[in-house]
Amino acid sequence: QLQLQESGPGLVKPSETLSLTCTVSGGAISSSSHYWGWIRQPPGKGLEWIGSIYYSGSTYYNPSLKSRVTISVDTSKNQFSLKLSSVTAADTAVYYCARIWFGIPGWFDPWGQGTLVTVSS
Amino acid sequence: EIVLTQSPGTLSLSPGERATLSCRAGQRVSSSYLAWYQQKPGQAPRLLIYGTSSRATGIPDRFSGSGSGTDFTLTISRLEPEDFALYYCQQYGSSPETFGGGTKVEIK
Repeated sequence: QLQLQESGPGLVKPSETLSLTCTVSGGAISSSSHYWGWIRQPPGKGLEWIGSIYYSGSTYYNPSLKSRVTISVDTSKNQFSLKLSSVTAADTAVYYCARIWFGIPGWFDPWGQGTLVTVSS
Repeated sequence: EIVLTQSPGTLSLSPGERATLSCRAGQRVSSSYLAWYQQKPGQAPRLLIYGTSSRATGIPDRFSGSGSGTDFTLTISRLEPEDFALYYCQQYGSSPETFGGGTKVEIK
């Protein structure tokens, strides 16, 4: 059964770069059938797609975040990563990684458990 | 981007009752590419429905989805205690994929 696990610092200072990694187990990230994505959820609010990546390295970003987001993949480690630069308090959220079905765009299943990142000095 | 509006914001029902959740899109969702997720406190969202009406693996048949164009519905035929949660719709007909604001189904 495929599982995803987010990891990274829970606290990031304003103006710095948020960095998270998603480790995939129970399946290969190099599957030709799926993409991989990041979604976030500010406390008490709704869901926002951040961006997605294919194992080949092709990336797709939400236009609202595109200037600050970089997603990369490491197939040897079965991981993909998120970097969000110049963070502010508005970037405080639970960050989820997920497998994407159908293509880009697509639906998300399964999701990692999520990791809370707080932006504060 | 396509804006999704979910209604009502909160649905207060009793176990055994039928729940009808609405998701309305600001523009037509291509090929009915719409999904529904359930989220419980402190947990990640779980996929319920994709392609408007296809149930995900392991999802009970009391959950059903319908709709087309700009109007979509998630129906829970008979609420079980574990169904009281937050529900989100998501469209993937055009990029960027977007989510609705959610409907909370609470115990009356």
